[in-house]
Amino acid sequence: GDSVTQMEGPVTLSEEAFLTINCTYTATGYPSLFWYVQYPGEGLQLLLKATKADDKGSNKGFEATYRKETTSFHLEKGSVQVSDSAVYFCALSENTGGFKTIFGAGTRLFVKA
Amino acid sequence: GAGVSQSPSNKVTEKGKDVELRCDPISGHTALYWYRQSLGQGLEFLIYFQGNSAPDKSGLPSDRFSAERTGGSVSTLTIQRTQQEDSAVYLCASSLRRENTEAFFGQGTRLTVV
Repeated sequence: GDSVTQMEGPVTLSEEAFLTINCTYTATGYPSLFWYVQYPGEGLQLLLKATKADDKGSNKGFEATYRKETTSFHLEKGSVQVSDSAVYFCALSENTGGFKTIFGAGTRLFVKA
Repeated sequence: GAGVSQSPSNKVTEKGKDVELRCDPISGHTALYWYRQSLGQGLEFLIYFQGNSAPDKSGLPSDRFSAERTGGSVSTLTIQRTQQEDSAVYLCASSLRRENTEAFFGQGTRLTVV
């Protein structure tokens, strides 16, 4: 079945460092891809999404590009802030059949001042 | 409703008791998911509903866990004979059954088994 694999955390960075959180997926069809974020004490919320190959999703300085050839959707940010400390979840949504959403296990990011 | 609503927000129960957790999805969302998140951990998939049926219940950790959904809307997750390892935040999410759609999460129910 479809699945999502993301890098294990925690990831610890200093403020203004470059961030990459890797995410790869397996899917039989052509899914939509998402990154969700969970800030401390808050619920999960959508960060960005991409719906087809080569699309780039972006929000709050974060970017991720839908790479069909490498089945990847890596999350990047050029300069992280302490306020970016959170847990980040990669997910795919099937665009056929049950349209089910599948989540990765999550990656915790700590940003130090 | 405006968002996914879960109740109660917090539940403390004694070991061995049964608990029921409720999820009220966004109106019109046919897909509904239950996840579990233990302290400092990621999301553990429990069960997925499409309408009132559950095509994927592979994540339920034991036969003490069950869930139902009625009227294509409200869902109840029941844990029988609770154990301390059941302590976690139980999250519900819902989405439309169509392409390119995101899932919307509730705030969760924090279950503590003492």
